[in-house]
Amino acid sequence: SQQGEEDPQALSIQEGENATMNCSYKTSINNLQWYRQNSGRGLVHLILIRSNEREKHSGRLRVTLDTSKKSSSLLITASRAADTASYFCATADSNYQLIWGAGTKLIIKP
Amino acid sequence: DAGVTQSPTHLIKTRGQQVTLRCSPKSGHDTVSWYQQALGQGPQFIFQYYEEEERQRGNFPDRFSGHQFPNYSSELNVNALLLGDSALYLCASSSPRGLAGRDTQYFGPGTRLTVL
Repeated sequence: SQQGEEDPQALSIQEGENATMNCSYKTSINNLQWYRQNSGRGLVHLILIRSNEREKHSGRLRVTLDTSKKSSSLLITASRAADTASYFCATADSNYQLIWGAGTKLIIKP
Repeated sequence: DAGVTQSPTHLIKTRGQQVTLRCSPKSGHDTVSWYQQALGQGPQFIFQYYEEEERQRGNFPDRFSGHQFPNYSSELNVNALLLGDSALYLCASSSPRGLAGRDTQYFGPGTRLTVL
């Protein structure tokens, strides 16, 4: 079964705009991770935020975590055509088992 | 430094057959996890191998089995294939001793299995 739910399911924006994706989860977590997947191939790790952290940055990426609401958001600033991909959140419990959401499909229009 | 590799890239099998998928972890990684990803869905955890033993298992039937070799490479075996087994099978490696610890998993490109 899926742990997380990403919202929206799909998002289409113009190049240069910011893209925000949200993830909600159900159980307590050790950390939450965001991954990118291009064209149904392998997943690329983007960023990890631990349960005691509230915000984290990596380049054009900003992730927030609200454990009281069991939710996270991924912000991609100044989007580029190469950012077109599916984005997944995954939560890790104390056994480091990753449980995934269904993903957000992001399309960047040139 | 080679990343995670998987073989084959694509595979077509018939219902009832058996299949073996292979994975070589990233150099220095000793833990291998397998995931099944149906079209349009997120990955589903199958199982994880560490020190040649299955350490964790997701909600998959016994038709799904695996093995880890002394060099940390791994195989995923699926018996009595069903149409519903058609999916992208992803292998990921990690290590508790790396800077990222076991938290971060590195994924291979996947094997696309089609069951007819």
